[in-house]
Amino acid sequence: QQQVKQSPQSLIVQKGGISIINCAYENTAFDYFPWYQQFPGKGPALLIAIRPDVSEKKEGRFTISFNKSAKQFSLHIMDSQPGDSATYFCAASKNTGFQKLVFGTGTRLLVSP
Amino acid sequence: DVKVTQSSRYLVKRTGEKVFLECVQDMDHENMFWYRQDPGLGLRLIYFSYDVKMKEKGDIPEGYSVSREKKERFSLILESASTNQTSMYLCASTTGAGAPQPQHFGDGTRLSIL
Repeated sequence: QQQVKQSPQSLIVQKGGISIINCAYENTAFDYFPWYQQFPGKGPALLIAIRPDVSEKKEGRFTISFNKSAKQFSLHIMDSQPGDSATYFCAASKNTGFQKLVFGTGTRLLVSP
Repeated sequence: DVKVTQSSRYLVKRTGEKVFLECVQDMDHENMFWYRQDPGLGLRLIYFSYDVKMKEKGDIPEGYSVSREKKERFSLILESASTNQTSMYLCASTTGAGAPQPQHFGDGTRLSIL
């Protein structure tokens, strides 16, 4: 019930293409769904996040789509660039003061020039 | 800009040693976390702390302990290091108040236990 399942494990996309990473959860108490981006040698950093009261959130080339009934959410990267090559983690948390996150297993994205 | 500093980027220790990993944050955050990151397993929570001297077990606390004597500093302790604790360790912090806030991560300590 605490797990967040993420797929694919790795992804290769051509420059200019669309990258799509999917996550699914079981715990209906989760109500905050962030995505973190991690470059080699660095810690993860928040990329974009969504609450379940909306079905989509867009920030620049990055969009989260959220399907509450299916308990799934996904990250879309439009016009993917080589600089987007990184590992992406989805996560989920309940709205408590502890801000405790459950992370997916990560997707290594490579955008080829 | 929030800064979370982990004392070592790389550390090599021997089986059975007591190992200390240190983390300092400069934003007066209430919550601090220790994760380990392993390929194919993502980030797994070891311990977290929501106040000075307060701690809570995460998902994989066995073999670890923590200490938070000052608000800005959160230490992870491997009581008797074993080879299966070879991993990347990440520290994070966030404010405890209100709506969910970003967790700010350090750049990690890659620990090898020989």
